[in-house]
Amino acid sequence: QVQLQESGPGLVKPSRTLSLTCTVSGGSISSLGYYWSWIRQHPGKGLEWIGYISYSGSTYYNPSLKSRAITSVDTSKNQFSLKLNSVTVADTAVYYCAGSGATFDYWGQGTLITVSS
Amino acid sequence: DIQMTQSPSSLSASVGDRVTVTCRASQNVGTSLAWYQQKPGKAPKLLIYKASTLEKGVPSRFSGSGSGTEFTLTISSLQPDDFATYYCQQYESYYTFGQGTKLDIK
Repeated sequence: QVQLQESGPGLVKPSRTLSLTCTVSGGSISSLGYYWSWIRQHPGKGLEWIGYISYSGSTYYNPSLKSRAITSVDTSKNQFSLKLNSVTVADTAVYYCAGSGATFDYWGQGTLITVSS
Repeated sequence: DIQMTQSPSSLSASVGDRVTVTCRASQNVGTSLAWYQQKPGKAPKLLIYKASTLEKGVPSRFSGSGSGTEFTLTISSLQPDDFATYYCQQYESYYTFGQGTKLDIK
């Protein structure tokens, strides 16, 4: 069974870069054939897809993030990561990592990131 | 990009009721439509994909229908475990979620 677990700082200061990592277990990140996504949920709000990195290394991001997001994969650690730069209070949210084919089949438990000085 | 609009935003119902949630896409997504259930403090759970195909292990009281731009999620007889927030999601062109429908107990 594929399982995902996010890790991150919890608190980030405005204008800094948010860095999150997702550790995948139950299979190899490079051979499962999934797209590895980041999704966030603002407090009390709906779900927003941030972007993905595919098993082949291609990436795509939600245009609403205005090129602030970068994803990467570390196959040696079976992890993928998100960097979101120039954060503001509007980036305060629960961040989920997820594995998808067409649909989001596997999810992490989510990690709350608060942007505050 | 494709926008997804759900209605209603919230819904009160009783155990045993039949409930329907609607999702509209801003352009044709064919049957590239999924439904998720989310409970407080938890990640969403996939219920239905390809507009009407039930994910393994999902009770048969859940059903989905539609194609193109209009879709519905129906729960035939509400159970206590079904009170949650439901999201539609298109995957025809990358990914977009609806804003959610919160289903609570009347």
